[in-house]
Amino acid sequence: DAKTTQPPSMDCAEGRAANLPCNHSTISGNEYVYWYRQIHSQGPQYIIHGLKNNETNEMASLIITEDRKSSTLILPHATLRDTAVYYCIVQDSSYKLIFGSGTRLLVRP
Amino acid sequence: GAGVSQTPSNKVTEKGKYVELRCDPISGHTALYWYRQSLGQGPEFLIYFQGTGAADDSGLPNDRFFAVRPEGSVSTLKIQRTERGDSAVYLCASSLMAPGGNEQFFGPGTRLTVL
Repeated sequence: DAKTTQPPSMDCAEGRAANLPCNHSTISGNEYVYWYRQIHSQGPQYIIHGLKNNETNEMASLIITEDRKSSTLILPHATLRDTAVYYCIVQDSSYKLIFGSGTRLLVRP
Repeated sequence: GAGVSQTPSNKVTEKGKYVELRCDPISGHTALYWYRQSLGQGPEFLIYFQGTGAADDSGLPNDRFFAVRPEGSVSTLKIQRTERGDSAVYLCASSLMAPGGNEQFFGPGTRLTVL
C-alpha cells in the first residue's frame, strides 16, 4: 500500500506557483520522498527527490518539514504543459516505487 | 541520448493467446523494472531485474506472467493464456543502479487490450 496521502485534484492559474502537498506520517529515517508526474498517455517522469533537506532543480522545489511527516512540491511558474497527475512516493532502500492515486493538477489558462 | 523504448506501443489480442512485450532500457542501466497501470490508477510494481537476474518478482499477479532479461539489457514480459483482466498499460523503467536514491526512467508503455 502507498505510504502517502495526497489530495485527488488541484488547480492553479497559468504563471502562478502550484503547491502540491503530500502527507507521509509513517516515513522512516532511511526513506526518501520522490515525486513523479504522468502526463496523459505517457510514462511517469521523475521530478525530484529528497531525504531531509529541501531540494531544488530546474523543474521544481521540494520542501520537507522538519519532522519529515509531510512535504510540498512547488512548481514556481506553472504552465499548461504542467497539467498532469503528480505522485508523491516514499521509497526505502529497495527499488520499488509504490504509487498511490496521486494529485491531478489542472493548470488553467 | 535515447530513452527507454517499448514495443509494441499497442497490442490487441484475444483471450487465451500468448503475448510478449519488449523493453529496451537506457544503455548502461543495470536495473530494470516492469509496472502495470490500469485505467484511472497509479502504476503497480510487477518485477525488478538487477543485471540478468530477477531480484524481486513478488508483484507478478500469477504464474501466467513471466519476464526475462537474458543479457542484462533488453527485457521481455511474457503473458500466457491472456485474460480480459490483463488489459492495461505495461510500463518499463530503468535506472543506473539499485537500491534507492536513484531515479527511474520510464518508457511510454505498451497498451495491451485482451478481447
